[in-house]
Amino acid sequence: EAGVTQFPSHSVIEKGQTVTLRCDPISGHDNLYWYRRVMGKEIKFLLHFVKESKQDESGMPNNRFLAERTGGTYSTLKVQPAELEDSGVYFCASSPEGGGIMNTEAFFGQGTRLTVV
Amino acid sequence: AQRVTQPEKLLSVFKGAPVELKCNYSYSGSPELFWYVQYSRQRLQLLLRHISRESIKGFTADLNKGETSFHLKKPFAQEEDSAMYYCAPPWGNDYKLSFGAGTTVTVRA
Repeated sequence: EAGVTQFPSHSVIEKGQTVTLRCDPISGHDNLYWYRRVMGKEIKFLLHFVKESKQDESGMPNNRFLAERTGGTYSTLKVQPAELEDSGVYFCASSPEGGGIMNTEAFFGQGTRLTVV
Repeated sequence: AQRVTQPEKLLSVFKGAPVELKCNYSYSGSPELFWYVQYSRQRLQLLLRHISRESIKGFTADLNKGETSFHLKKPFAQEEDSAMYYCAPPWGNDYKLSFGAGTTVTVRA
C-alpha cells in the first residue's frame, strides 16, 4: 500500500511568487493534517481536514496560506504570495479514523522543503 | 489543551552508553502519549505509544504519573539511533496531533 506522498519534494521560489504543495494521503484516511517545521526542529500544526471539511485551521499563519481538499482525497496547500519566512519543511500526515481514538497512528509524508529567496 | 515539554534540544552520547530523552506532560486526562522519530532522509514515523506498552528498537518509555513524565530510554545507544525524536500527547477532543519541540540525538562512535 502506498504511503502518504507529497509533491514536490523541494521547491525554490522567489519572494512574491506562488507555490502549491500537494499531499496524497493513504487511501481511505479521513483525517489529513498539514504541519510545518521552520528554523530548526519544532513541528507546528497548520490545519486539519476531516474528509473535505476543515476541522481546525487555527495554525494557519495568515491569509496568504490556503488549503483545500477536493472530494476528501488529496489536499493542496497554496502560499500566495510567498515571503522569506515561509521557508521550511511542510509535512502532511493522515490517519484512518474519524478522530478521538487515542492509539491511532498518524502516517507522514516525506515533506516538501520550501525555500523562498 | 494537551501539552508536552521536551527540555533538551540536543543530546549527544557515545555508542553503547545509555540514553534518555525527557518528556513531561501538563494536562489532565488519560496520558496516552507517543514518541515519534525522524531518521536522516526518512519520514517522521511512530516509534512507540504508551498504550501498547511495547519496546521498539530497544527503546522503552515509562509513564510516571507522579512526575507527569514519559521519558524515552535505551540502555545501549547505537549509531543508527541518531535522529530527531518528538514526544506527542494523545489526541484531544479536537482530534489534533501536536508535538513537543523535539530532541536531536547524536550517537558518537
